[in-house]
Amino acid sequence: GAVVSQHPSWVICKSGTSVKIECRSLDFQATTMFWYRQFPKQSLMLMATSNEGSKATYEQGVEKDKFLINHASLTLSTLTVTSAHPEDSSFYICSATGGTEAFFGQGTRLTVV
Amino acid sequence: AQTVTQSQPEMSVQEAETVTLSCTYDTSESNYYLFWYKQPPSRQMILVIRQEAYKQQNATENRFSVNFQKAAKSFSLKISDSQLGDTAMYFCASRGDSGYALNFGKGTSLLVTP
Repeated sequence: GAVVSQHPSWVICKSGTSVKIECRSLDFQATTMFWYRQFPKQSLMLMATSNEGSKATYEQGVEKDKFLINHASLTLSTLTVTSAHPEDSSFYICSATGGTEAFFGQGTRLTVV
Repeated sequence: AQTVTQSQPEMSVQEAETVTLSCTYDTSESNYYLFWYKQPPSRQMILVIRQEAYKQQNATENRFSVNFQKAAKSFSLKISDSQLGDTAMYFCASRGDSGYALNFGKGTSLLVTP
């Protein structure tokens, strides 16, 4: 299958700072990327959908000003958690599709202290 | 709208035995796709098997097979000859025909014991 690389795999940041997570499709052009959030021992919840060159579409209850998504190229989408707080600590996973199936990145464990 | 329900939070099976994980779903889409994903401790999501709703034949991938009952909206996963490496969280998921975002069930934690 296609390869999606997510970076960093884990990050610890101080409360009030911003953190950027990158999601790259390595061997295909990703017209659409998805960002999910997963709390411990829970399922994946879709946060937003981003199409290359367009504004992201956020799911109900997800603050777009807090979770900034940029999909500036066909191989890169970024999620920036702004003014992070401890309750933002979670596992964030991206997936990307070029028009067939969606492939997942390795995930990023964010801990806000 | 689509919902996916997994009613078994945890299951255990002995090595070499067979286990079936349950999943039911609801959707308003006329065409849709169903998936089983495995999430091992590394938390990398791994596609196990995929079923297109318009296909009547149940999908099979080596030791993994599904029992797709469209009328009952049921999509169970059977793992034959269970191996220790099958220990993981298993998520059932669905998507409609118009997009690639997935709706996940709550997951079933499978433990394979020696």
